[in-house]
Amino acid sequence: DTGVSQNPRHKITKRGQNVTFRCDPISEHNRLYWYRQTLGQGPEFLTYFQNEAQLEKSRLLSDRFSAERPKGSFSTLEIQRTEQGDSAMYLCASRGGMNTGELFFGEGSRLTVL
Amino acid sequence: TQLLEQSPQFLSIQEGENLTVYCNSSSVFSSLQWYRQEPGEGPVLLVTVVTGGEVKKLKRLTFQFGDARKDSSLHITAAQPGDTGLYLCAGEWRGSNYKLTFGKGTLLTVNP
Repeated sequence: DTGVSQNPRHKITKRGQNVTFRCDPISEHNRLYWYRQTLGQGPEFLTYFQNEAQLEKSRLLSDRFSAERPKGSFSTLEIQRTEQGDSAMYLCASRGGMNTGELFFGEGSRLTVL
Repeated sequence: TQLLEQSPQFLSIQEGENLTVYCNSSSVFSSLQWYRQEPGEGPVLLVTVVTGGEVKKLKRLTFQFGDARKDSSLHITAAQPGDTGLYLCAGEWRGSNYKLTFGKGTLLTVNP
């Protein structure tokens, strides 16, 4: 399967713990996005990479959140000192070089903070 | 921050009925996309529109882009239970630097 891969698919953690999600994009795509989605709502933009450069971060991305894409391939999203409000689906998407290219989404990583 | 309004938020209809979902912005889109999402999965692209007045058809789905490129609609004819899902519009504006902003979505339920 050469689509966008995310893991883990599900993570249950206790408040205050750190969690890390990984995204492997489609190999030839240079742009990688992280979104957060709560039940019944649309995805909210968190951050975006072009190759290894993080070009934009949302105000939603507090200092407890950090994202990296060290070699311009896979990306990680880490949440430190998790809070119950962090419970959501974290979606990763990648995109090729076309100006109106579509986003290809992974199946998401669902986080539940107890 | 660009805002993208989608309506209605919820829609429950009977099989065979028609429906329309709307997507609006106060700013001019450089491009707009419609996605469909099923529970537990990521959104999947249905269509991209870029030209004002453009109409695209995908089987029973018809997508329109407003002449001024500030609004779009998705019309489904003779809805089927398999059409059930979350329909999302997503837009880019001039200067958005390849960042795609999503609407809150329309949760469609088609009852048999």
